[in-house]
Amino acid sequence: DQQVKQNSPSLSVQEGRISILNCDYTNSMFDYFLWYKKYPAEGPTFLISISSIKDKNEDGRFTVFLNKSAKHLSLHIVPSQPGDSAVYFCAASAPRNTPLVFGKGTRLSVIA
Amino acid sequence: DAMVIQNPRYQVTQFGKPVTLSCSQTLNHNVMYWYQQKSSQAPKLLFHYYDKDFNNEADTPDNFQSRRPNTSFCFLDIRSPGLGDAAMYLCATSRAPTSTDTQYFGPGTRLTVL
Repeated sequence: DQQVKQNSPSLSVQEGRISILNCDYTNSMFDYFLWYKKYPAEGPTFLISISSIKDKNEDGRFTVFLNKSAKHLSLHIVPSQPGDSAVYFCAASAPRNTPLVFGKGTRLSVIA
Repeated sequence: DAMVIQNPRYQVTQFGKPVTLSCSQTLNHNVMYWYQQKSSQAPKLLFHYYDKDFNNEADTPDNFQSRRPNTSFCFLDIRSPGLGDAAMYLCATSRAPTSTDTQYFGPGTRLTVL
């Protein structure tokens, strides 16, 4: 049973436009959420995170929004650049040092 | 550069033949993790070491074992690989086993079982 769901396996966006990657979760105990980015032949790298006490966290071109009532979070990339083309994983964890639970990932292609 | 290194990057083994995957880190982190990622699936935590303390996930098969002889190295042993164990195996490290501590991943070892 998937607790973290990324329902779009892939997304294509034109350079300069906004990319929106979505993630849904089912476990109401999750209180910390992360996005990881993965290039081919490399391991995932941490991108941005958000605690459940917030509904928005911004870092440069990357913003994560959290809607706790809908159990939904999204990653916005503005403006999208070709170098953003990668697989993006959503991950979540519950309190007391429980392990990260990852989604299956969304492959973003930014087209020049 | 401080990093997480996995060797080999590609490993081919035969059904039932034991195999060992290696991970090393120069970050001096206390925690080392092993994840399994099957094709088009989410990475799934198998186990982790917090210093010398081994923490196994409840649904990790007994076929999978791990060793951490020192801070820098951690090994994943698959005692009798089956066809279903073919996957990418990712090693990660963090300073502490808390969700807010960033995990740093290696590039992974892709295991093929013939």
